[in-house]
Amino acid sequence: GQQVMQIPQYQHVQEGEDFTTYCNSSTTLSNIQWYKQRPGGHPVFLIQLVKSGEVKKQKRLTFQFGEAKKNSSLHITATQTTDVGTYFCAGRGPGANNLFFGTGTRLTVIP
Amino acid sequence: DTEVTQTPKHLVMGMTNKKSLKCEQHMGHRAMYWYKQKAKKPPELMFVYSYEKLSINESVPSRFSPECPNSSLLNLHLHALQPEDSALYLCASSLQGFNEKLFFGSGTQLSVL
Repeated sequence: GQQVMQIPQYQHVQEGEDFTTYCNSSTTLSNIQWYKQRPGGHPVFLIQLVKSGEVKKQKRLTFQFGEAKKNSSLHITATQTTDVGTYFCAGRGPGANNLFFGTGTRLTVIP
Repeated sequence: DTEVTQTPKHLVMGMTNKKSLKCEQHMGHRAMYWYKQKAKKPPELMFVYSYEKLSINESVPSRFSPECPNSSLLNLHLHALQPEDSALYLCASSLQGFNEKLFFGSGTQLSVL
């Protein structure tokens, strides 16, 4: 079955440092979405990528979709304490009726 | 209104109890979902309703029974649960399906004693 892995599982950074999480799928994806879940909160949609090689930016966040549509990354520049939380990628295989969530990366930002 | 509202926020129940979780959205979304999330794990899909019809059941035990009374409401009926069913239950909705972003409710934290 489809599996979506994320690395690293945990990341501790000093405020102001950059952060990257990587998402890898065992199968080609139709699209990939990214969600952020604050501690004690619920997942909140960040972005969706659809095209091979697509890059999208939201302020300090940069999202990439791999050329083979099997991997993706989220890069945060100059982290802030408000960036704390778990970042999940979620991918859908072609024709699939499910959105598989990645294992998540928990980000801690040290002030 | 861009919210998905879930009640109750917390629920403690015994293994012989019957309870229901409720979810409501008024965004005109036609796809609604139940997810289960254990601590420090990703959300796992349980059920999908599309246009008020059950379209996906991810082999969920029958002690969980979903219901979609209308396009705005989604219920999850619970009966004879086990302690291992303790988790955060998240409701979500999207315009039509998995091609659009999911809007999640704040969840019901369920403890089964």
